[in-house]
Amino acid sequence: EVQLVESGGGLVQPGGSLRLSCAASGFTFSSYWMHWVRQAPGKGLVWVSHINNDGSGTTYADSVKGRFTISRDNAKSTLYLQMNSLRDEDTAVYYCTRDWLGIDYWGQGTLVTVSS
Amino acid sequence: DVVMAQSPLSLPVTLGQPASISCRSSQSLVYSDGNTYLSWSQQRPGQSPRRLIYKVSNRDSGVPDRFSGSGSGTDFTLKISRVEAEDVGVYYCMQGTHPYTFGQGTKLEIK
Repeated sequence: EVQLVESGGGLVQPGGSLRLSCAASGFTFSSYWMHWVRQAPGKGLVWVSHINNDGSGTTYADSVKGRFTISRDNAKSTLYLQMNSLRDEDTAVYYCTRDWLGIDYWGQGTLVTVSS
Repeated sequence: DVVMAQSPLSLPVTLGQPASISCRSSQSLVYSDGNTYLSWSQQRPGQSPRRLIYKVSNRDSGVPDRFSGSGSGTDFTLKISRVEAEDVGVYYCMQGTHPYTFGQGTKLEIK
């Protein structure tokens, strides 16, 4: 069974940093692209970032480019999102997702709240 | 970026009746490999999204056959043949070429 378990969310002040992790199991992690998608409270889904299967290629939404960094450790089957210079508008549930012909599996999400 | 526009944004439906959601993209979703990476996902209240349909019309494993997808180019549709209580939630279309983008979501409720 595919499982994606996020961790690392919490309350952070504007300008602060957080590192999200996503532990994957139930599939061969190194064979799949992965993404982070976020959802602000009461709002829709917004794609944040993607990384290819070996980590050599990444893309970012314009809203997070230069502030967020996606990475992966295939030996640990873990996906990461380093978030710096956080803003109020980054407040959201962050989902770790797998890509097979589009985003197919989603984790349960981890809440990031940016507030003073 | 490709803009995805869904309609309606709110969809009250009587149990047992059909439902239809439209999704239009700002440009053709036919990718260079000939495939169209348009998918539909369902988000039940308080849950993570779950994909229902991929590549326009292919149902994911375990998805009831009352759900079907169709369309081509820039116009796509998700249909539910007979709505059940468990279908309540928000439905999103998503296009899978970079940067990935989602529709605004359609909230399905029971009338």
